[in-house]
Amino acid sequence: SQQGEEDPQALSIQEGENATMNCSYKTSINNLQWYRQNSGRGLVHLILIRSNEREKHSGRLRVTLDTSKKSSSLLITASRAADTASYFCATDAIETSYDKVIFGPGTSLSVIP
Amino acid sequence: KAGVTQTPRYLIKTRGQQVTLSCSPISGHRSVSWYQQTPGQGLQFLFEYFSETQRNKGNFPGRFSGRQFSNSRSEMNVSTLELGDSALYLCASSPTSGRTYEQYFGPGTRLTVT
Repeated sequence: SQQGEEDPQALSIQEGENATMNCSYKTSINNLQWYRQNSGRGLVHLILIRSNEREKHSGRLRVTLDTSKKSSSLLITASRAADTASYFCATDAIETSYDKVIFGPGTSLSVIP
Repeated sequence: KAGVTQTPRYLIKTRGQQVTLSCSPISGHRSVSWYQQTPGQGLQFLFEYFSETQRNKGNFPGRFSGRQFSNSRSEMNVSTLELGDSALYLCASSPTSGRTYEQYFGPGTRLTVT
């Protein structure tokens, strides 16, 4: 199984609602990043949270990190149709000898206007 | 600053052929990583180059190779193409090597092997 796994796999909400996605990982990390990908295009970096941080904000995004539970959550507030995309968490497993970062399978978010 | 560019954007090849993909990182970025994205396997790390040297390598067969030039531009080559190589190939650049830097991704090259 993967180092990072997002939950749920798919999420459909109405515009204006909040969207919450979760990421669980297995090994210790230095940092965790969230990326967005619009329909098969390149990924866009959203936010990076370090292992000694518990919460971070960027605009309508709020990321939390719980290293004791090896999990992170991404909250998008007041969602917009333009937020429709796949969201990936990426971790740098400390024990990994060769991978730079490992991406989870992603959460597909659909925001209905 | 211009973003990461990848060429070509789309490519159709036949089994057994080889292909070369190109990636130009953001100006000043010295690290270039390559990823393969498929519906079944998701995003998988191929390799990373920094200052013309391969720094990290993922779990892919030797048919997948790459190189980086002195201007940090990178190429990825896949020889003896197989149907399973059909994927979106993404490259990402970052200012330096290491796991604590965010990566800037290009739009990808969509490779179809028939």
